Amino acid sequence: QQPVQSPQAVILREGEDAVINCSSSKALYSVHWYRQKHGEAPVFLMILLKGGEQKGHDKISASFNEKKQQSSLYLTASQLSYSGTYFCGTEVGVNTGKLIFGQGTTLQVKP
Amino acid sequence: EPEVTQTPSHQVTQMGQEVILRCVPISNHLYFYWYRQILGQKVEFLVSFYNNEISEKSEIFDDQFSVERPDGSNFTLKIRSTKLEDSAMYFCATYMNTEAFFGQGTRLTVV
Repeated sequence: QQPVQSPQAVILREGEDAVINCSSSKALYSVHWYRQKHGEAPVFLMILLKGGEQKGHDKISASFNEKKQQSSLYLTASQLSYSGTYFCGTEVGVNTGKLIFGQGTTLQVKP
Repeated sequence: EPEVTQTPSHQVTQMGQEVILRCVPISNHLYFYWYRQILGQKVEFLVSFYNNEISEKSEIFDDQFSVERPDGSNFTLKIRSTKLEDSAMYFCATYMNTEAFFGQGTRLTVV
């Protein structure tokens, strides 16, 4: 039931782009994306609801393909502050707010 | 900006002792959750709470765990007899309008 994230780790130079994928074997109601810095709580980035939508703010955007049960997070022109672990949290079936998280993707942005 | 408040931020306890982790959810939110994150691992769902009762719990949430909303504002997680493997960050979260808000977490260390 746990979603699978890929890749497990990414190393970028400032200004480069990255894509993080999240795939589920179950039908999803929504996908949440979070970024977590070491020793801190997960910080909500965005949510995508079933219906297949794309969202974004600043240089971070995401898409949700309901049919394929997968979501992708797009980080463009990465900044040093983007470093951290990115988790997708999936809501299976109905709107309960219960999230099942992927194993995380570690992103490191170097100067 | 609304926030979820957790206390204490760090608790050290001896194996076998009882601990109570406290959370003050955002006031008009109705869905409450506890999640756990063992160091270096993904965030794991423990339990969800709605309308003053447990709505769902994971296999991790065994008889040693309980949740309460004792006074209408606080939301507590009790571990009756702590084990070494209970050492983790525990996050409280609330959910409203498709957005989950995480507290800063309590780091529980069982020695």
